[in-house]
Amino acid sequence: KQEVTQIPAALSVPEGENLVLNCSFTDSAIYNLQWFRQDPGKGLTSLLLIQSSQREQTSGRLNASLDKSSGRSTLYIAASQPGDSATYLCAATYNNAGNMLTFGGGTRLMVKP
Amino acid sequence: NAGVTQTPKFQVLKTGQSMTLQCAQDMNHNSMYWYRQDPGMGLRLIYYSASEGTTDKGEVPNGYNVSRLNKREFSLRLESAAPSQTSVYFCASNFLLGSYNEQFFGPGTRLTVL
Repeated sequence: KQEVTQIPAALSVPEGENLVLNCSFTDSAIYNLQWFRQDPGKGLTSLLLIQSSQREQTSGRLNASLDKSSGRSTLYIAASQPGDSATYLCAATYNNAGNMLTFGGGTRLMVKP
Repeated sequence: NAGVTQTPKFQVLKTGQSMTLQCAQDMNHNSMYWYRQDPGMGLRLIYYSASEGTTDKGEVPNGYNVSRLNKREFSLRLESAAPSQTSVYFCASNFLLGSYNEQFFGPGTRLTVL
């Protein structure tokens, strides 16, 4: 069974810190790895998508990397701000899964002023 | 573009009642999905529709039915609601180009079954 894991489940950091969120997946036959942000009581906002042929994607202060051989993706947030406080979810699309997403459990991030 | 829209935003049902959750997207996407999100369980796929006229079961389809009414709309029906179906329901649609596959989500429907 294809599984996606995010550790830690929760993280608290002071404002201004650079931080890394981790995502692990069990199957290297991955099409895409997508990172989402979810604010409390809200839907999911797509942040970055990395295709299997790519190693990283960047958007502003966010950088996501993908290492298929080790089954890992990381989301790097530079100079964190209180407004970055949210739950971050990663999700994988596999070659044989009809474009469906398999989600990790998420990391709940709090950035303290 | 409104993106993916869902109605209603909130709903309270009694056990045994039925209801339909509506979803529409205006991005001309072929594929649409229904997920439920529960504390400690993450997001799980209920049903999906790869294209207009087709539907398939996901990980947790029991107790649900779906209809892909047209390319824009994908509805989820609970025929006889149970307390175990208390959850937040998300609809999503999929932009697919070759191996590029990005999903876009609606704001969710928060359902409580008493």
